[in-house]
Amino acid sequence: EDQVTQSPEALRLQEGESSSLNCSYTVSGLRGLFWYRQDPGKGPEFLFTLYSAGEEKEKERLKATLTKKESFLHITAPKPEDSATYLCAVQKTGANNLFFGTGTRLTVIP
Amino acid sequence: NAGVTQTPKFQVLKTGQSMTLQCAQDMNHNSMYWYRQDPGMGLRLIYYSASEGTTDKGEVPNGYNVSRLNKREFSLRLESAAPSQTSVYFCASDRRRSDQPQHFGDGTRLSIL
Repeated sequence: EDQVTQSPEALRLQEGESSSLNCSYTVSGLRGLFWYRQDPGKGPEFLFTLYSAGEEKEKERLKATLTKKESFLHITAPKPEDSATYLCAVQKTGANNLFFGTGTRLTVIP
Repeated sequence: NAGVTQTPKFQVLKTGQSMTLQCAQDMNHNSMYWYRQDPGMGLRLIYYSASEGTTDKGEVPNGYNVSRLNKREFSLRLESAAPSQTSVYFCASDRRRSDQPQHFGDGTRLSIL
């Protein structure tokens, strides 16, 4: 059965305290793994797509990595404006839709 | 660029009432999607339209119907609303290419009493 599990459910960090969010997946035939950011009352906002194990992508304080079983979203020296829910989703080969995890709610305290 | 626009933003219905959620995109995308988001669960696909003139069921289609009105617009209809359909509904669109992500609207928050 296809599954996407994100951990932790919630994470509180002090400003400047680096950490990582985890997304583990079980899917038959991965086409791509997507990271989104969601602010309260808003829709998910695209961050990264990863396609193959070993791939890494960076954007400002965020870096996403992918292995055959999981992806990590590393946050370096976070700021309060990085507070949001981070969603991981997978797309199966031959499919159009995304299959989402339940997200990690990140709070960065000044 | 507006991206994906959803209307209304909020709605309260009584059990048994019907309503249509509207979604329009201005990015010339081929594919459009309707998801629902509930507390403690990931976004779940209700219906999608891979291209103009086609629609297909997703993971949770029961109680819903959709219409792909044209390339820009994709509507979701609740014929007889039930409390279990209380949720936040998101519309998304993409170019249907593996290197292009889905873009989401800001959602419709629907409460059914």
